[in-house]
Amino acid sequence: ETGVTQTPRHLVMGMTNKKSLKCEQHLGHNAMYWYKQSAKKPLELMFVYSLEERVENNSVPSRFSPECPNSSHLFLHLHTLQPEDSALYLCASSRGDSGDEKLFFGSGTQLSVL
Amino acid sequence: SQKIEQNSEALNIQEGKTATLTCNYTSYSPAYLQWYRQDPGRGPVFLLLIRENEKEKRKERLKVTFDTTLKQSLFHITASQPADSATYLCALDLTGANNLFFGTGTRLTVIP
Repeated sequence: ETGVTQTPRHLVMGMTNKKSLKCEQHLGHNAMYWYKQSAKKPLELMFVYSLEERVENNSVPSRFSPECPNSSHLFLHLHTLQPEDSALYLCASSRGDSGDEKLFFGSGTQLSVL
Repeated sequence: SQKIEQNSEALNIQEGKTATLTCNYTSYSPAYLQWYRQDPGRGPVFLLLIRENEKEKRKERLKVTFDTTLKQSLFHITASQPADSATYLCALDLTGANNLFFGTGTRLTVIP
């Protein structure tokens, strides 16, 4: 176990649904991240939170809405998604204080949009 | 645009041989570069970090080199084993904001 837990592991949703992905880290880290991984493409950095404040929004469509209520929890709220949003969504955390530390990833949520 | 290239999408090698994976980047020279391993259906797992002032880093059967002149990192697995079969990703900060960007990865298969 990496210390980062994501739920659910799998999610199927229609284009009109609203759902949320959850991430929790038990490592005492200060920074949390959302990445998207599609087939044949590199991991795409979506959002970065440091000390619960969003510091990076990598041109992500507004149908993805992140929330970081505290340094241990991160959510990704989904609404009106498109089929091309189907992908593996990965949450990660890091210490966030020296700029060169490693990322700890969860196992991801495999999302299918029908 | 700035990008990270891992030149082989897939690499097959015989058990016991050394696997060498390549990562090239086109950004300004980053302060550090990282390598991760990813198994199917799982998140990436950190393996090694090498800084710009380090030429080489080792961890057990793993070795990483970093050539900031060539803008290239090489990742070696010596005495490879079937359990080493996975996708290997390199990652670096392309923007100076201390956020990691990843290459597409190389899928390594070690044949018994």
